[in-house]
Parts: sequence; C-alpha cells; structure tokens
Amino acid sequence: EIVMTQSPATLSVSPGERATLSCRASQSVSSNLAWYQQKPGQAPRLLIYGAYSRATDLPARFSGSGSGTEFTLTISSLQSEDFAVYYCQQYNNWPLTFGGGTKVEIK
Amino acid sequence: EVQLVESGGGLVQPGRSLRLSCAASGFTFDDYTMHWVRQAPGKGLEWVSSISWNSGSIDYADSVKGRFTISRDNAKNSLYLQMNSLRTEDTALYYCAKGASMILVLTSFDYWGQGTLVTVSS
Repeated sequence: EIVMTQSPATLSVSPGERATLSCRASQSVSSNLAWYQQKPGQAPRLLIYGAYSRATDLPARFSGSGSGTEFTLTISSLQSEDFAVYYCQQYNNWPLTFGGGTKVEIK
Repeated sequence: EVQLVESGGGLVQPGRSLRLSCAASGFTFDDYTMHWVRQAPGKGLEWVSSISWNSGSIDYADSVKGRFTISRDNAKNSLYLQMNSLRTEDTALYYCAKGASMILVLTSFDYWGQGTLVTVSS
C-alpha cells in the first residue's frame, strides 16, 4: 500500500498570504495525484488532478506541482473561503489512498 | 448538473447488515467507474471500493474485503454497497463518488454525494 503523508497537519495563515501544503508518497505515483478541499459539514471537492491540472472553475490562485513522490498544493493569496482541510490522494495503484489532511486555519 | 444522492444509512448492531444506495444523475452513468469513500467521525478520508463501468473490475480496501460487496445497475443509474458483518469501526459517513475518467479505473473523484451516515453500535 502506498502511504501518503501530508505536512504540516495544521497551517495557520493570514488572509492574503500564501499557503504551501506538502504531500509525500511512500513510492512513486507518477503524476497520478489529486488534491481535495473539505469544509465542515460538506463533501470533499476536487481541486487538482494529474498533480497540476485544475478542476473546472477552480480559481487560478490554486496550483499544484510535483511528480513521483513529492507534491505541493499552493494557494497564492488565501481568501476567507479557502480555510478548510485539504487532502491529497494517489490513484496510481490499488488501494487508492489519501493523506491524513492539512487543516488551513486563520492566523 | 451531476448529482449523487446516497441513502440507506442508519444505526445497526455489530454483526448485522446494511445496504447503501447511490442514485446518479446528470451524466452518462454507464461510462464511468464509481467509488465508495468513507469518513469516520472527526477523521480523514478512506477509500472503500470501486467498480468499473461494466462491473468487470472491482476492488476493495483490505479493511472491508470479504464483508462488503459493491455493485451497480446501469439501467437504474444506481450504485450499491452491501455491507455484512458490520463492526464498530465501520461507523462513518459513506460517500458515493464518480470517477473522473471515462477510460481509466484508477482515477480521482470529480463529484461526490453528501454522504449517508452508518453507525454500528450495540
């Protein structure tokens, strides 16, 4: 099983600042990596697939990068609606696995 | 508009069974792999099972293998999860999710339902 490790567990950021979230895979997943955003009481929402492709209607302030085992989700200028939990997920191998999540909170 | 609506959750005793359903609309259901993902209270996301468009490829997490069965009825645009021998650790919100690719079975999830809560307790 590919283990996905996200860091940090919690990120405290002021509105308008840049947020950088990391995701590491225990073995290569190529570019088969997705990022999701989940707000309290809501289902997850796909943000990024293929490591860097933005989902439909996703604001340009969200960007994904990386390949192999190291991936990054960057939010260039945090808006109030971006405070949430973010998960990475690999879909290179069975079983499909998620990281433990990074909570982005208001500083 | 893509819609996924789960149903069938509830309170059940350990060892009993439950069947979840997911009604899909707004896309060509039989073109896509479908998935179940769960989230225990206050915890992260855990993939449970996937089924390809024609039911020819099916996979399960080790934690549910041998106890859960995924199935689909393309004529009814519906996805199912039969859960047997339920354990307290199966308590979670169960999401139905649509695969993002028309061709691949291993995919990200581009649409999610709102989930149905399964509580396993005596």
